[in-house]
Amino acid sequence: DIQMTQSPASLSASVGDRVTITCRASQSISIYLNWYQQKPGKAPKLLIYAASSLQSGVPSRFSGSGSGTDFTLSISSLQPEDFAAYYCQHSYSPPYSFGQGTKVEIK
Amino acid sequence: QVQLVESGGGVVQPGRSLRLSCAASGFTFGSFAMHWVRQAPGKGLVWVAIISYDGNNKYYPDSVKGRFTISRDNSKNTLYLQMSSLKADDTAVYYCARDAGGVQYMDSWGQGTLVTVSA
Repeated sequence: DIQMTQSPASLSASVGDRVTITCRASQSISIYLNWYQQKPGKAPKLLIYAASSLQSGVPSRFSGSGSGTDFTLSISSLQPEDFAAYYCQHSYSPPYSFGQGTKVEIK
Repeated sequence: QVQLVESGGGVVQPGRSLRLSCAASGFTFGSFAMHWVRQAPGKGLVWVAIISYDGNNKYYPDSVKGRFTISRDNSKNTLYLQMSSLKADDTAVYYCARDAGGVQYMDSWGQGTLVTVSA
């Protein structure tokens, strides 16, 4: 099974900061990597699919990059509504595991 | 628009069974694979199962294989998760999600239903 490792587990940032979250797969997964945002008490929301494709309706300050085993999610200028948990997930082959999550908090 | 509504959660004793449902609307249900994902209180997301659009292919992680069964009724636009031999560790909010296809990402999610396994 493929393991997904996210870092950091949490971070504190200010509005306007650039934020980067990394995700590493235990083996090559090509571009089969997706990113989700989850706010407290809410269902997850798809942000990025296929490593770098922006889901319709998601602000352009979100971007994804990477292939193989190393991936990043970037937020170019953090907005108040972006304080949330972020999860990577591979879809290379089942089981489709998630990373452990990154909580983005207000500094 | 796409709507997914889970139901069937509740409190259940260890070792017992429970069936969750996910009613789909706003899209051609029978054309999409579907997932179940769970989240224990205060914890991260855990993928639970996927079923192909026609119900012929199903996959599970080892943690639920042999205890959980995913199924669907395309005539009723409904997805199911039959859970048996439940353990305290199965306590979680269970989400159903639509698979958008291609690289298999989950583009629409329900609001979740809480399952509590407790004596």
